[in-house]
Amino acid sequence: GIQVEQSPPDLILQEGANSTLRCNFSDSVNNLQWFHQNPWGQLINLFYIPSGTKQNGRLSATTVATERYSLLYISSSQTTDSGVYFCAVEPLNDYKLSFGAGTTVTVRA
Amino acid sequence: GAVVSQHPSWVICKSGTSVKIECRSLDFQATTMFWYRQFPKQSLMLMATSNEGSKATYEQGVEKDKFLINHASLTLSTLTVTSAHPEDSSFYICSASLRQGVPDTQYFGPGTRLTVL
Repeated sequence: GIQVEQSPPDLILQEGANSTLRCNFSDSVNNLQWFHQNPWGQLINLFYIPSGTKQNGRLSATTVATERYSLLYISSSQTTDSGVYFCAVEPLNDYKLSFGAGTTVTVRA
Repeated sequence: GAVVSQHPSWVICKSGTSVKIECRSLDFQATTMFWYRQFPKQSLMLMATSNEGSKATYEQGVEKDKFLINHASLTLSTLTVTSAHPEDSSFYICSASLRQGVPDTQYFGPGTRLTVL
């Protein structure tokens, strides 16, 4: 099956700092989503981004489908940004999502 | 929009009992719902896919008779963990999708934490 690798596995930030999370995938995809899992376990949709660039407030994402990677940018980080960020992809001819291992982000005040 | 709820949020049960978890799409009709399992500090693993009115499709290694899935309507899917054992303790998350078999955003419920004593 498709492989999804996220880096770094852990990230500690000072409040106000910027950061970049990366997601590499091993095959072509129909769909790529970024999620934030808060400390209570709720998965929050951040972006549906099979290709191109999107922005939502302090977050933005870019997917380069031809090179099989996606980046999630967090700017001016806040303590509420803490949690686990997952990248998930939907391979061609399959509507199931495969998740990466996640990046655990800790933002310190 | 696109809100998915789960009930209960958490449940503690004795070994050998069965537990039912409900997943509802509150403001849209979900042709497809997915059930995931997440162990502490790990990623989500897909257990099964359910389409309204048809049998669920289970991932390799998931016991069909242990994890019964019913998708009786376009807004409700249930997961029943039968004869639960401590190793079934986990965080169970459902998601719902608008369209069957085509790329679409999945919307996730808040999860159900199951502890089997």
